[in-house]
Amino acid sequence: GAVVSQHPSRVICKSGTSVKIECRSLDFQATTMFWYRQFPKQSLMLMATSNEGSKATYEQGVEKDKFLINHASLTLSTLTVTSAHPEDSSFYICSAREGLSSYNEQFFGPGTRLTVL
Amino acid sequence: TQLLEQSPQFLSIQEGENLTVYCNSSSVFSSLQWYRQEPGEGPVLLVTVVTGGEVKKLKRLTFQFGDARKDSSLHITAAQPGDTGLYLCAGEDSNDYKLSFGAGTTVTVRA
Repeated sequence: GAVVSQHPSRVICKSGTSVKIECRSLDFQATTMFWYRQFPKQSLMLMATSNEGSKATYEQGVEKDKFLINHASLTLSTLTVTSAHPEDSSFYICSAREGLSSYNEQFFGPGTRLTVL
Repeated sequence: TQLLEQSPQFLSIQEGENLTVYCNSSSVFSSLQWYRQEPGEGPVLLVTVVTGGEVKKLKRLTFQFGDARKDSSLHITAAQPGDTGLYLCAGEDSNDYKLSFGAGTTVTVRA
């Protein structure tokens, strides 16, 4: 299957700093990438949809100025958590979708564990 | 996003037993996907079902998509300890390709 990578896999930062997470599709071009957040013992919650070359669309309740998303190419999307606080500590997962057909599947990255002290 | 109800939330069985996980919604999905997730890792796609009434088999796993494309089930035959994990169903919206995830079923298979 298609491979999606994330970097870093773990990050610990101080409160008030910004953290950038990268999501790459390694062997296919992703027209759309999605960013999710997962808290312990919970399911995945969609944060935003990222389309190459256009602005991301955010789910209700997700602050776009806090979670900056850039989808500069068909293989790379980045999520920057600005002025991170302890409540932003979570498991962030991206997924990538190859095309626009309903038969295209989403492939997930391995996730990034963010801990804000 | 559309609501997907997944049940049961937890399932603990003995090796060799069978189990079924259910995923139900009042909404119609263009496709439904089943994932398995290990702690600290991203979800891994098991199967995608697209056609109403579709049945797919993956070794000891059988996936079914309801005729109306609103519900699905995952059945594991003769479960093994290696089947232990978090199973997630997710329905795809045909308009924006967003996935709505169920709450997940934590399956534990005891040796």
